[in-house]
Amino acid sequence: GESVGLHLPTLSVQEGDNSIINCAYSNSASDYFIWYKQESGKGPQFIIDIRSNMDKRQGQRVTVLLNKTVKHLSLQIAATQPGDSAVYFCAENKNFGNEKLTFGTGTRLTIIP
Amino acid sequence: DSGVTQTPKHLITATGQRVTLRCSPRSGDLSVYWYQQSLDQGLQFLIQYYNGEERAKGNILERFSAQQFPDLHSELNLSSLELGDSALYFCASSARPSGNTIYFGEGSWLTVV
Repeated sequence: GESVGLHLPTLSVQEGDNSIINCAYSNSASDYFIWYKQESGKGPQFIIDIRSNMDKRQGQRVTVLLNKTVKHLSLQIAATQPGDSAVYFCAENKNFGNEKLTFGTGTRLTIIP
Repeated sequence: DSGVTQTPKHLITATGQRVTLRCSPRSGDLSVYWYQQSLDQGLQFLIQYYNGEERAKGNILERFSAQQFPDLHSELNLSSLELGDSALYFCASSARPSGNTIYFGEGSWLTVV
């Protein structure tokens, strides 16, 4: 069945350093991937997305890398700040669709001051 | 603030009871999604509506039902509640049923005792 998983459930990074959060997916038909950030007591917040015809996309302080060969997705956060502390989820779907987004289990990122 | 409004924020009810969760999508968004987030299952897609019509269905129990009204707000009805239904229920919305970002509300925290 379809599944999206994360390599590490927790990650601690020194403030100012870069962080990398990884995600593995199993559905080779997935062509759309999204990263969400969820802070305590809040709903998931869209960070960045990428389509399968790309292998890299950059946003403000964030970069998503997609390796379709090994079905791996990563989120890089540059110059981490305390406000980056949250749980990060990857999600995947087909046809650039929003329907039935499949979410990973999440990685808790803690920024150490 | 994502613009998606959910009520109530917290709800405690007994097993066997029925509750209704309400969602107002972002202004102009026609598509509404319901997700369940529990500790053991993560974020699970339940159901999606677009402009009043059911668009996609996920792992939604038969005891659960939803609808989207002409004013585009949506309600998720949970009946014959069980302890295992305790979870965060998120509503999300997007302008169209696919191809664009979905925005999550802050969630309704349901505790069944």
